[in-house]
Amino acid sequence: GAGVSQSPRYKVAKRGQDVALRCDPISGHVSLFWYQQALGQGPEFLTYFQNEAQLDKSGLPSDRFFAERPEGSVSTLKIQRTQQEDSAVYLCASSPLWGETQYFGPGTRLLVL
Amino acid sequence: DAKTTQPTSMDCAEGRAANLPCNHSTISGNEYVYWYRQIHSQGPQYIIHGLKNNETNEMASLIITEDRKSSTLILPHATLRDTAVYYCIVRVAAGGTSYGKLTFGQGTILTVHP
Repeated sequence: GAGVSQSPRYKVAKRGQDVALRCDPISGHVSLFWYQQALGQGPEFLTYFQNEAQLDKSGLPSDRFFAERPEGSVSTLKIQRTQQEDSAVYLCASSPLWGETQYFGPGTRLLVL
Repeated sequence: DAKTTQPTSMDCAEGRAANLPCNHSTISGNEYVYWYRQIHSQGPQYIIHGLKNNETNEMASLIITEDRKSSTLILPHATLRDTAVYYCIVRVAAGGTSYGKLTFGQGTILTVHP
């Protein structure tokens, strides 16, 4: 079946621009995670949704980062007033239920100039 | 979640078994050992997980020591396509409060050569 998809795959933004990154989880998956991966590092947790509820946003690096999942399916990660340090790969993962195995999408590579 | 320690890099000849070690000496009784790998420019790919028994699937085998303080991921016949970063992750089982989020370390860079 279809896996997790993310769009766009690549995004170049000028410093100060707002960006929106989309994640389509595996159909029926309740849990959705966002991770950030800096160059040469392992992914780091950003935020977690169970259906439409954002239960943990402790990993969001600043209030410029905002995530939503209004209907409990597609999720969007928005970054306002992008900075160069926001350049990274943003990964989305979903799992059938809380605590089960997570399956990752291909990521969105964001470059802020 | 418990911390894991992995070698920075390993080499393996194509067709041979690749044995990737992981230390997790502070693992708790309700924590699973998960393995993911990440091929260049792709998202992490789930490989296998286990609690205390050895596990095998179509991709790999996972051997967990009796005291659960270490484990080994075995790729029985490595191919060039297995070249990737391999992450060993300890994660609390359902029922905890971490929501199952994964804490990645640096992983092991496995290079399979002809």
